[in-house]
Amino acid sequence: EVQLLESGGGLVQPGGSLRLSCGASGFTFSTYAMTWVRQAPGKGLEWVSSIGSSGGSTYYADSVRGRFTISRDNSKDTLYLQMNSLRAEDTAVYYCAKDSLQGLDWGQGTLVTVSS
Amino acid sequence: VLTQSPATLSLSPGERATLSCRASQSVTGFLAWYQQKPGQSPRLLIYDASNRATGIPARFSGSGSGTDFTLTISHLEPEDFAVYYCQKRSRNWPPSITFGQGTRLEIK
Repeated sequence: EVQLLESGGGLVQPGGSLRLSCGASGFTFSTYAMTWVRQAPGKGLEWVSSIGSSGGSTYYADSVRGRFTISRDNSKDTLYLQMNSLRAEDTAVYYCAKDSLQGLDWGQGTLVTVSS
Repeated sequence: VLTQSPATLSLSPGERATLSCRASQSVTGFLAWYQQKPGQSPRLLIYDASNRATGIPARFSGSGSGTDFTLTISHLEPEDFAVYYCQKRSRNWPPSITFGQGTRLEIK
């Protein structure tokens, strides 16, 4: 069974930084692309970033490019999202997901609140 | 862009629900459907337009191709009232993931 456990969310001031982690189990992590998706309070789903299985290729939404960095450590079965220069509009639940042509498998999410 | 309609659908248990997802350009990758209940993560229902994910009841079915896709719930159960999202992804890299804005299925 695929299990994804996000951590690292919390309250941060505008302009601050936060690093999210996502621990994976139940599948061969190093063979799958991974994705971050976020959901602002009361809103829909927004794709944020994806990374290839080896970590050599990354892809970002325009809204976060240049501020967020996705990475992975295949030796630790862990996905990361480094978030810098945070804005109020980045407030959301952040989900990590295993990405395949059979759809996305989701973690439970971690809440990031950007507020002074 | 993926446009879902209607934004809200009000039906009674036992009725049939038909949810639409329209793409601005032909979907050359695949299309998936997800269900999300309050306070929960989205759950995969359908992938590649018409394939049910593991453990999904047979009352859920997906159809469509090109720009028009449909999620049908044949006989609504009380636990089916939730928000539904469609999602497209390209078959190659980059994945170009896009979500529809969602359809809220509420009890009439």
